[in-house]
Amino acid sequence: GAGVSQTPSNKVTEKGKYVELRCDPISGHTALYWYRQSLGQGPEFLIYFQGTGAADDSGLPNDRFFAVRPEGSVSTLKIQRTERGDSAMYLCASSLTWARTDTQYFGPGTRLTVL
Amino acid sequence: GENVEQHPSTLSVQEGDSAVIKCTYSDSASNYFPWYKQELGKRPQLIIDIRSNVGEKKDQRIAVTLNKTAKHFSLHITETQPEDSAVYFCAAIMNTGNQFYFGTGTSLTVIP
Repeated sequence: GAGVSQTPSNKVTEKGKYVELRCDPISGHTALYWYRQSLGQGPEFLIYFQGTGAADDSGLPNDRFFAVRPEGSVSTLKIQRTERGDSAMYLCASSLTWARTDTQYFGPGTRLTVL
Repeated sequence: GENVEQHPSTLSVQEGDSAVIKCTYSDSASNYFPWYKQELGKRPQLIIDIRSNVGEKKDQRIAVTLNKTAKHFSLHITETQPEDSAVYFCAAIMNTGNQFYFGTGTSLTVIP
């Protein structure tokens, strides 16, 4: 079946602008994760959803970052007043359940560049 | 929180040789340790994982070992092939949450 998809694949924006990054998880997967990956680093946890609710948003760096998953499927990561330091690859992953040992399947990522 | 360190950052081996990547973690509450492979420009993919109640797990040419006392775990790839070339990430998850803490990655190059 289809894997996790993310759109857009690349996003270039100017400092101060607002951006939305979209994640479509594998159909039926109840858990959804957002990570940020800088060059040469491992993925860094941002936020995790169980169904529609954010179960853990402790990884969001500040209040410019927000994520929603209103119907328990598609999720949108929203970044306000973007800064150059927000430039990174943003990865989404989903798992069938929210059991901690469930395999997380990653999407291809959205590469965000803030000029 | 958890802190995962990974070594080496780069590794080159001749085709057919073995490769070993090591990770240490700081929190004894961590109890699940997956390994992901990320090829250039592609998404991370799970290749093997181990739970804290097991000391070793093997899947064909790939094996992972875990030493809970020393808080370290290692990935072993035998009979390496050029298609094994990629960045490998270890991760740890604590038994109190769902956050994966990733290492900084090892870039493996298998020389034909």
